[in-house]
Amino acid sequence: GQQLNQSPQSMFIQEGEDVSMNCTSSSIFNTWLWYKQDPGEGPVLLIALYKAGELTSNGRLTAQFGITRKDSFLNISASIPSDVGIYFCAGQLGYSGAGSYQLTFGKGTKLSVIP
Amino acid sequence: GAGVSQSPRYKVAKRGQDVALRCDPISGHVSLFWYQQALGQGPEFLTYFQNEAQLDKSGLPSDRFFAERPEGSVSTLKIQRTQQEDSAVYLCASSLVAGQETQYFGPGTRLLVL
Repeated sequence: GQQLNQSPQSMFIQEGEDVSMNCTSSSIFNTWLWYKQDPGEGPVLLIALYKAGELTSNGRLTAQFGITRKDSFLNISASIPSDVGIYFCAGQLGYSGAGSYQLTFGKGTKLSVIP
Repeated sequence: GAGVSQSPRYKVAKRGQDVALRCDPISGHVSLFWYQQALGQGPEFLTYFQNEAQLDKSGLPSDRFFAERPEGSVSTLKIQRTQQEDSAVYLCASSLVAGQETQYFGPGTRLLVL
C-alpha cells in the first residue's frame, strides 16, 4: 500500500537540540497528523492540522501543513530524553465517503536522544 | 481504562492455523479501523467500520482476512490459514464519529507466524 515519504529515517541528537522532520506525498491530503509511537504501544496523536498553511504548536512541538497540501513538517525544540521514539506523519482525505477516513502513514523517523 | 484495548497482546501461530484478534473500542465510538504494521514500517489501513457496517475493506490483503463488528462495538479480525508474511502488529483505532475526528489507537496485537 501507499506510504508517505518521511525523512530522515533516523536521528541521533544531543539533549537540548532542536529536531526537524518532514513528510511529502504525491497526492493531496486535507488533514495532516503527527503521531509518536513508543515500543510495544500504539501511535499517540501529537498534533493535527486541518488547513493548508496552518502552523500549530503543542508545547515544544510545532507542525505546519504545507500550502500545496502535499507536505508537512514537525519541529521539536529543546529535546529531552523522553522524546525518544518513532514519529509518524499521516495524511487523511476526510472529505466525505468511507474511503476518505483512513490514515495513510509515513515509514517513520526514529529519534534517539543522547543525554 | 477508557482507551482502546486489544487482545491478545501477543499471538504465536503455526503456518496454516486460523487466528482471531479482538478490539474493544472506546465506549460510544462510532468508527473503528484496523491497520497492519510490518516491522520497521508505518501502519497500513486494512478496513473501516461505521457502527456495524463495514464501509471500506479495500486494504485487506487477501480473502484470508475477514473482519466483523456485529453489534457495533467490539470487532474481531480473523486471519485464516496464516502465512509467514502475515506476521505483523495489528492495530485497532476508534473515533467518535467519522471524517476528521481523532483516531485513538490501541496497543496492538503482535502476531508471529512460524
